[in-house]
Amino acid sequence: GAGVSQTPSNKVTEKGKYVELRCDPISGHTALYWYRQSLGQGPEFLIYFQGTGAADDSGLPNDRFFAVRPEGSVSTLKIQRTERGDSAVYLCASSLTRGRGETQYFGPGTRLLVL
Amino acid sequence: AQSVSQHNHHVILSEAASLELGCNYSYGGTVNLFWYVQYPGQHLQLLLKYFSGDPLVKGIKGFEAEFIKSKFSFNLRKPSVQWSDTAEYFCAAIPDQGAQKLVFGQGTRLTINP
Repeated sequence: GAGVSQTPSNKVTEKGKYVELRCDPISGHTALYWYRQSLGQGPEFLIYFQGTGAADDSGLPNDRFFAVRPEGSVSTLKIQRTERGDSAVYLCASSLTRGRGETQYFGPGTRLLVL
Repeated sequence: AQSVSQHNHHVILSEAASLELGCNYSYGGTVNLFWYVQYPGQHLQLLLKYFSGDPLVKGIKGFEAEFIKSKFSFNLRKPSVQWSDTAEYFCAAIPDQGAQKLVFGQGTRLTINP
């Protein structure tokens, strides 16, 4: 079946602009995660949804970052007033349930470049 | 701070060599451990995971990892590597305090020379 998909695959923007990154999880997966991966580093957790609600947003770096999942499926990560330091690959993952035993399946990521 | 550490940043081996990639974590108590792999141009995918029971975990493509609680380690092994194992390998953990988030190490880039 289809895996996790993310759009766009690449996004170039200018400092100060607003961007939205989209994630389509695997159908039927109730848990959805956002991670950010900077060059040469492992992914870092941003936020986790169980259904429509954000169950853990402790990884969001500041209030410029916000994510929604209004219908419990597709999620959008929103970044306001982008800064050059926001440049990274933004990864989305989903899992069937919220259990710690569940495998998180990752999408291909959106590569964001802020000029 | 609680973390996951991978001490090998880049490992270069010849085909048929044996592989061991180090992973250490700093969480106390029960912890769940994972190895993910990212082949060139592909998504992160799960190689194997440890939750409980037998500390020697077998994964896909001939990989295995051993959980050694006393050493806070979860090293990845493969007895004979292939050129197709060239990839980036990430160790990750979920602490047992009800969190769902994966905490990743920095990754190890593995290059296999034919």
